[in-house]
Amino acid sequence: AQKVTQAQTEISVVEKEDVTLDCVYETRDTTYYLFWYKQPPSGELVFLIRRNSFDEQNEISGRYSWNFQKSTSSFNFTITASQVVDSAVYFCALSEINTNAGKSTFGDGTTLTVKP
Amino acid sequence: GAGVSQSPSNKVTEKGKDVELRCDPISGHTALYWYRQSLGQGLEFLIYFQGNSAPDKSGLPSDRFSAERTGGSVSTLTIQRTQQEDSAVYLCASKAGRRSYEQYFGPGTRLTVT
Repeated sequence: AQKVTQAQTEISVVEKEDVTLDCVYETRDTTYYLFWYKQPPSGELVFLIRRNSFDEQNEISGRYSWNFQKSTSSFNFTITASQVVDSAVYFCALSEINTNAGKSTFGDGTTLTVKP
Repeated sequence: GAGVSQSPSNKVTEKGKDVELRCDPISGHTALYWYRQSLGQGLEFLIYFQGNSAPDKSGLPSDRFSAERTGGSVSTLTIQRTQQEDSAVYLCASKAGRRSYEQYFGPGTRLTVT
């Protein structure tokens, strides 16, 4: 069975601080995808990134960066110089590769509040 | 529009009534998912459609829940004899095909059962 754990339920930071959102996963599969989604107050989930399990190279996109550590089953997400617009619920998700569904298992989310 | 749309955006119903929630996926997307998001919780998978294949219904919580997808496009999620614990946001997502993994989500339908 797959499981995604986002231990941080809520995080509050002041604008311009860096913040890291943790994600730990469990799976018996040797190949899988990991995702991060953002759900702003408007409610619509927005895809941020997808990572293959066989590619541990970290990725940076503007103020966002992702640290994938297969040895610790973690896929953490860092926002540098946070802004008020980053306030949202962030979900980490895991998806099998070798199935017909590509069904994703989501964590419970981390609510990030960035204060001005 | 180009995105996934859902209707209604909000639905309030009395306990025991049936409700239908609608999802219009992105044109050309063959895969469609329904999820349920309860307050403060993550997304709970409900059902998955892929092309003409039999749907994966493994996430439906009870036989009061059913879904269909007509013509490989629009999908309707039906909840019969609604209960208060059915109150949640119901999210629909679509993706381009079996081998794609990025899901595009709709804005959701907030269901409140009184």
